[in-house]
Amino acid sequence: AQTVTQSQPEMSVQEAETVTLSCTYDTSESDYYLFWYKQPPSRQMILVIRQEAYKQQNATENRFSVNFQKAAKSFSLKISDSQLGDAAMYFCAYRSALSGGSNYKLTFGKGTLLTVNP
Amino acid sequence: KAGVTQTPRYLIKTRGQQVTLSCSPISGHRSVSWYQQTPGQGLQFLFEYFSETQRNKGNFPGRFSGRQFSNSRSEMNVSTLELGDSALYLCASSGTGTLTDTQYFGPGTRLTVL
Repeated sequence: AQTVTQSQPEMSVQEAETVTLSCTYDTSESDYYLFWYKQPPSRQMILVIRQEAYKQQNATENRFSVNFQKAAKSFSLKISDSQLGDAAMYFCAYRSALSGGSNYKLTFGKGTLLTVNP
Repeated sequence: KAGVTQTPRYLIKTRGQQVTLSCSPISGHRSVSWYQQTPGQGLQFLFEYFSETQRNKGNFPGRFSGRQFSNSRSEMNVSTLELGDSALYLCASSGTGTLTDTQYFGPGTRLTVL
């Protein structure tokens, strides 16, 4: 079974600074998808960024980028020019790319609570 | 396009009762997944439906069940509620139900069991 580990329960960053959230995962599969989701306090969980394991290029979405190290099974999220609205719980998630009923699910890490200080 | 909607948003029940939660996916989406979120266990997968068929089920007791209707709307039911069932229940939908899809989440239903 796959596992996802987020070793930083909490992080803080100053507004306009850069912060990196860590995520490692364990899998024996070679093809899979990785995601970062953001859940603001009492608000809906939204997708931040997605990475396909077969792509060597790191995904980027505006101020959000990832550092995907497949051999190390590491998938960190970098937030540049942090804004107050970035304050949220961030979840790293894994999904297999192998077809089969048992794979239609996301496996989440425990989350990292990000505080943005003005 | 409207997002994923879940009803009700809040529920308070007592032990032993049963509850039904509803999820309406994004228009055109055919896959619906359910997750339980608690402070202790985090986000745990409950089940996934595609075209009215359950394709995958998480490690939850049989008290947790679900179904999907022909319009892709889904319900989950929890019978004989226990205190430990208090949680935020999240529904997520995706378009074609393939593994390349991205899942989009609803706001959740906050269930409190007294």
